[in-house]
Amino acid sequence: DTAVSQTPKYLVTQMGNDKSIKCEQNLGHDTMYWYKQDSKKFLKIMFSYNNKELIINETVPNRFSPKSPDKAHLNLHINSLELGDSAVYFCASSWTEPYYGYTFGSGTRLTVV
Amino acid sequence: KQEVTQIPAALSVPEGENLVLNCSFTDSAIYNLQWFRQDPGKGLTSLLLIQSSQREQTSGRLNASLDKSSGRSTLYIAASQPGDSATYLCAVSNTGTYKYIFGTGTRLKVLA
Repeated sequence: DTAVSQTPKYLVTQMGNDKSIKCEQNLGHDTMYWYKQDSKKFLKIMFSYNNKELIINETVPNRFSPKSPDKAHLNLHINSLELGDSAVYFCASSWTEPYYGYTFGSGTRLTVV
Repeated sequence: KQEVTQIPAALSVPEGENLVLNCSFTDSAIYNLQWFRQDPGKGLTSLLLIQSSQREQTSGRLNASLDKSSGRSTLYIAASQPGDSATYLCAVSNTGTYKYIFGTGTRLKVLA
């Protein structure tokens, strides 16, 4: 049973479209994260939710909107997609104090054409 | 602001060599540090996690050390194998913020 699962694994879409990526964790963690890995493989945090409350919101265009319907799910909606949004998006989860570290999903490769 | 750097950026070694990957961070007020492995096109696999109060952790052929005062961690891989070829990432969480800041990664290739 996958601990942190993301869907879809691959997403190819045209500029200007709106798309969503979904993440679910079955570890019972109370904190979930979205990270973006750019073409140079650098991972940077975008958002974090703790018990459905947004606690980290890095400098991200407001075309990106996270939503956490419950503490096991964190979705990422992206409006008006741009070429520069092409990247791999990783979901992760942990406890509030990550004593046991982070667990990552397998990533969603988004390609905007 | 925490910054994490990894050197070398890339490393190519013959099979069987022992090797050391380095990670340095600028803010020593860390909560813990986690080493990950990423295979091409794949997600992140956790290798070792060191709490701020610990000096080292071991798992099989891997040993990670932590020197908080000097802002450094090393990942030691013994008797390297071609299957160890991957990108190795270190990530640091600071006390209070708990978000992980990632290093730039070391791309390792072990030649058969």
